[in-house]
Amino acid sequence: DTAVSQTPKYLVTQMGNDKSIKCEQNLGHDTMYWYKQDSKKFLKIMFSYNNKELIINETVPNRFSPKSPDKAHLNLHINSLELGDSAVYFCASSQQGSNSPLHFGNGTRLTVT
Amino acid sequence: AQSVTQLGSHVSVSEGALVLLRCNYSSSVPPYLFWYVQYPNQGLQLLLKYTSAATLVKGINGFEAEFKKSETSFHLTKPSAHMSDAAEYFCAVIWMDSSYKLIFGSGTRLLVRP
Repeated sequence: DTAVSQTPKYLVTQMGNDKSIKCEQNLGHDTMYWYKQDSKKFLKIMFSYNNKELIINETVPNRFSPKSPDKAHLNLHINSLELGDSAVYFCASSQQGSNSPLHFGNGTRLTVT
Repeated sequence: AQSVTQLGSHVSVSEGALVLLRCNYSSSVPPYLFWYVQYPNQGLQLLLKYTSAATLVKGINGFEAEFKKSETSFHLTKPSAHMSDAAEYFCAVIWMDSSYKLIFGSGTRLLVRP
């Protein structure tokens, strides 16, 4: 069973479109995250939710809107896609607690043309 | 500003040789420290973590890391490299005074020569 699953794995779309990436975890974790990995492999946190409540919101354009319908799901909706949004987006989850390791999904490769 | 630095974007070793991947952090507050590995087209997998217990931490696949407070370092080592170790390795830190965000270093690609 996949612990943290993201869909789709690949997403190719044109500038200006709106798209969503879904994430689900079956680990019973309280906290979920979205990270962005750019072409140089640099990983940067975007958002974090704890029990459906937003707790981390980095300096991300407001075109990006996370939604957590329940603590097992954290979806990412992106409006008006731009070329610079092309990246790999990783969902992750962890138990509440500062030293709890994150469990990552396999990523969604977004390509904006 | 708090930061995590990985020296060397690429490290190349021969199969069977010692692997040493460097990680330094900047903070006077002892953090929680992690090493993750990323294989091609996959997510990140936890190798090991330091959480203020033993300073020498053993992880999966024969890797270990030593926390040295005086040097603010958490270098990753493996005595003998295997071809299957070729991957991207990330050092990551959680500072307790920063909303518990996991901050990643820039990564080091390990290449293993036959």
